[in-house]
Amino acid sequence: EPEVTQTPSHQVTQMGQEVILRCVPISNHLYFYWYRQILGQKVEFLVSFYNNEISEKSEIFDDQFSVERPDGSNFTLKIRSTKLEDSAMYFCASSASAGTRRRYFGPGTRLTVT
Amino acid sequence: RKEVEQDPGPFNVPEGATVAFNCTYSNSASQSFFWYRQDCRKEPKLLMSVYSSGNEDGRFTAQLNRASQYISLLIRDSKLSDSATYLCVVDTGGFKTIFGAGTRLFVKA
Repeated sequence: EPEVTQTPSHQVTQMGQEVILRCVPISNHLYFYWYRQILGQKVEFLVSFYNNEISEKSEIFDDQFSVERPDGSNFTLKIRSTKLEDSAMYFCASSASAGTRRRYFGPGTRLTVT
Repeated sequence: RKEVEQDPGPFNVPEGATVAFNCTYSNSASQSFFWYRQDCRKEPKLLMSVYSSGNEDGRFTAQLNRASQYISLLIRDSKLSDSATYLCVVDTGGFKTIFGAGTRLFVKA
């Protein structure tokens, strides 16, 4: 089965630093998503992306977050100035179409902000 | 009321037991429903979609009651490998999916 991949698997950064989390969605998928999961808490939707623009975002996705699809394969999440509370697992997901609600999740990047 | 609510458990059951999980959702306009499984520190993986008529996949049966805004998952003949957290997931028709906090299941030999 095709897979979503994410790099790095674990990122440690200092408060105030910028981080970029990278994802390679499944190749024929058109819709891309970022979710986060703080340790011990539920998975939370951050943002969806289609046709090179954000289609929906949650209240968590404030001005310190941005997403980009810089080329035909990568999908990135940038956090401009990390805070301690940004420490979480970040999952990328993709889906084939808006009508296909199934999300395929990547293995996640564990972000630790110190 | 939480958007998607689940009993956190844990459910501790012996191998071979039948166990049922419930989930309620608050938005009556919700359109699609899923059960995902999440192992410790891993990504969520789709277990099954939930249809109004109810659906079955091997030992797993999912049911949806739109009138009561209630979803269930039944696992028959539990295996040790079923130990995981089961996530109820609801789509409201946009791109945002809402996850429940999950129900933890431990199956013991």
